[in-house]
Amino acid sequence: DGGITQSPKYLFRKEGQNVTLSCEQNLNHDAMYWYRQDPGQGLRLIYYSQIVNDFQKGDIAEGYSVSREKKESFPLTVTSAQKNPTAFYLCASSIGPSSGGAHEQFFGPGTRLTVL
Amino acid sequence: GQQVMQIPQYQHVQEGEDFTTYCNSSTTLSNIQWYKQRPGGHPVFLIQLVKSGEVKKQKRLTFQFGEAKKNSSLHITATQTTDVGTYFCAGGRYGGATNKLIFGTGTLLAVQP
Repeated sequence: DGGITQSPKYLFRKEGQNVTLSCEQNLNHDAMYWYRQDPGQGLRLIYYSQIVNDFQKGDIAEGYSVSREKKESFPLTVTSAQKNPTAFYLCASSIGPSSGGAHEQFFGPGTRLTVL
Repeated sequence: GQQVMQIPQYQHVQEGEDFTTYCNSSTTLSNIQWYKQRPGGHPVFLIQLVKSGEVKKQKRLTFQFGEAKKNSSLHITATQTTDVGTYFCAGGRYGGATNKLIFGTGTLLAVQP
């Protein structure tokens, strides 16, 4: 069964604690992405990775960090420096970049993070 | 910076009525994609348009890409309760080998039976 998994579905943390959200894919995709979605809003790109051992900041990277040590995995750490971390976090993947433009992205089920 | 705006933010229709959402970019896009997110779910890819003026249909859904490749629309004919959700457009950029998409703000569709 191919797809993207994110765990856990719901996560609660105390203010000031770092927390790491997992994202795993078995689609053999080179590119992976992290988005943040707030109520009634669109998707904002946090970080993306086009290939293993490489990643770039998106539009709202402050207070977040990522790693891409394996093709299948792209964990996101929400640090205590993120001022408003409560949100719905979505991970996505796609086939590798090309000059032909962006490709379809496959999304995981998301993790709803609440910081108390 | 580059932005993609969608209107309306929210639309409530009676089942059987038509629905349209519009997407506008400040810059020319390499392609446009459309996604649907059911309440409590995650975005799911619907379609991609690449050519200027392109029109594609999927049953009751009609997608258009503008001639200047800066705008797009999604039209649903005779809405059903299963159409409920948020519809997002997402634009791809020219310049370099990149997979980055710029997502629109989304349109939430509510359908009353």
